[in-house]
Amino acid sequence: EDQVTQSPEALRLQEGESSSLNCSYTVSGLRGLFWYRQDPGKGPEFLFTLYSAGEEKEKERLKATLTKKESFLHITAPKPEDSATYLCAVQAGSEKLVFGKGTKLTVNP
Amino acid sequence: DGGITQSPKYLFRKEGQNVTLSCEQNLNHDAMYWYRQDPGQGLRLIYYSQIVNDFQKGDIAEGYSVSREKKESFPLTVTSAQKNPTAFYLCASSIRGGANYGYTFGSGTRLTVV
Repeated sequence: EDQVTQSPEALRLQEGESSSLNCSYTVSGLRGLFWYRQDPGKGPEFLFTLYSAGEEKEKERLKATLTKKESFLHITAPKPEDSATYLCAVQAGSEKLVFGKGTKLTVNP
Repeated sequence: DGGITQSPKYLFRKEGQNVTLSCEQNLNHDAMYWYRQDPGQGLRLIYYSQIVNDFQKGDIAEGYSVSREKKESFPLTVTSAQKNPTAFYLCASSIRGGANYGYTFGSGTRLTVV
């Protein structure tokens, strides 16, 4: 069974304090790993897709990396507007995505 | 602008009542999905459809039903058989065979049993 585990469950940072979120996964034949951002009461917003180990993608203060067992979402010099829940999901053999429970990030000014 | 529209934003259900959540997309996506989100549980798949007039059960289909009569529409009915329906419901779509490109999500419907 495909599984996704995200850590930590919650993370509090001061503005400008860089950190990383972790997504570890067990799947048979990874087709893609996805990162989403979700604000309270809203639907998830797509951030990145990673396909193979060693791949990296960046968007503003966010950088996603992928190894054979886990992915990291690095947040550099975060701002309060980066506060959200970050979701990780994987796709294996089917069309479906399997999601982790998310990391709730709070950035204090 | 293309996107997914879910309605209503808030819905209240009485015990024993069936309710239907609407999901419409104008992205020309083939595949559509329904997820349920509970605090601390993450997103769990209820049903999905890859083409019109065809759909498959997800991990938690009991107490729910769907239809896919049009490419643009994928309504979800929460039946009285669903004993714990209070949750945040999310609809999503993707290019068929292209979940690799990411899902596009709607803004969600919050269902509460009263």
